[in-house]
Amino acid sequence: ETGVTQTPRHLVMGMTNKKSLKCEQHLGHNAMYWYKQSAKKPLELMFVYNFKEQTENNSVPSRFSPECPNSSHLFLHLHTLQPEDSALYLCASSPRSGRDSDTQYFGPGTRLTVL
Amino acid sequence: KQEVTQIPAALSVPEGENLVLNCSFTDSAIYNLQWFRQDPGKGLTSLLLIQSSQREQTSGRLNASLDKSSGRSTLYIAASQPGDSATYLCAVKGGSYIPTFGRGTSLIVHP
Repeated sequence: ETGVTQTPRHLVMGMTNKKSLKCEQHLGHNAMYWYKQSAKKPLELMFVYNFKEQTENNSVPSRFSPECPNSSHLFLHLHTLQPEDSALYLCASSPRSGRDSDTQYFGPGTRLTVL
Repeated sequence: KQEVTQIPAALSVPEGENLVLNCSFTDSAIYNLQWFRQDPGKGLTSLLLIQSSQREQTSGRLNASLDKSSGRSTLYIAASQPGDSATYLCAVKGGSYIPTFGRGTSLIVHP
């Protein structure tokens, strides 16, 4: 166990559904990340939060809406997704973001399927 | 735009062999390079981190080298074991501090 948990582990949703992914870290870190890993592309960073503030949005479509209520919790709200959004969504945390975010600890991921 | 390529895409070897996994990147202005391991259905585990000023890092049977000028890194695995079977990912961090990942090398070590 890395100290980063994600729920649910698997999610199947229709294009009109609204769902949320949850990530929790028990490492006392201040930075949290969402990544997308699809079969057709390399792992991509989506969002970065540092001390609850969003510091990076890597040109992610607005149908993905992140929320970071505190340094230990990170959510990814999903609505009106497309089948091509089916992927493994990984959460990670690190002591800080930016240049000093060298070691990130990853959760096991949520396998999302959009029908 | 930084691009990271990993060769080979897949590798299957008998136990005990010494292995070399390759990672190349197009923009040599990097801050660091990191090797990760990913087991099926799981997240990533950091293996080795090389800062741009360093040439190599070692951890147990793993050794990673970095040649920034040529845009290359290698991960050397000595005396491979079945437990080494996983996907190995290389990630490069540049000035934007957003890491760029390769597609990975899928390794199978059979007894």
